[in-house]
Amino acid sequence: DSGVTQTPKHLITATGQRVTLRCSPRSGDLSVYWYQQSLDQGLQFLIQYYNGEERAKGNILERFSAQQFPDLHSELNLSSLELGDSALYFCASSPDVKGYGYTFGSGTRLTVV
Amino acid sequence: ILNVEQSPQSLHVQEGDSTNFTCSFPSSNFYALHWYRWETAKSPEALFVMTLNGDEKKKGRISATLNTKEGYSYLYIKGSQPEDSATYLCAFRNAGNMLTFGGGTRLMVKP
Repeated sequence: DSGVTQTPKHLITATGQRVTLRCSPRSGDLSVYWYQQSLDQGLQFLIQYYNGEERAKGNILERFSAQQFPDLHSELNLSSLELGDSALYFCASSPDVKGYGYTFGSGTRLTVV
Repeated sequence: ILNVEQSPQSLHVQEGDSTNFTCSFPSSNFYALHWYRWETAKSPEALFVMTLNGDEKKKGRISATLNTKEGYSYLYIKGSQPEDSATYLCAFRNAGNMLTFGGGTRLMVKP
């Protein structure tokens, strides 16, 4: 157990729907990062939050949004889902904003049918 | 778009062989270079974070070097074991705190 908890582990939903993925960072970590890993794109950085504020943005679609709550857990919201959104979504946390000491969660596998 | 490339894409070696892979990245706006070990269906495990030109890091049989001026890093595995079989990812972090991953090198070590 890495200390980073992601739920759910698996999710199957239909096109056009909206889902929320949840991440609880390792205790004491203030930064949360979201990644998408799909077969043809490799591992893509989506977004980073530090202590509730957005700090960096990567290849995140406008249909996706995220936030980090006061208790430091984070949610990734995916809307108007398309077949191509099927992927493994990882969350990682680190103690500071610089990213040292990354720890990854086990991922949420999203399947859009 | 930042270009982070890893080579080779895949590698098959015999148990006991030593091996190395390359990660190339932009030489400008460098902040850090991360190496990860990633087994299928598991999340990436952080191996090294390298920030200074000329850095050398070592963890057991695995070591890495960094050249920020020419934009490359090498990962070495000495005496490969079957349990070393995994995908090795490098990721370039720029000063804007964006992390860009390479496509990975898939290593398979045959007993």
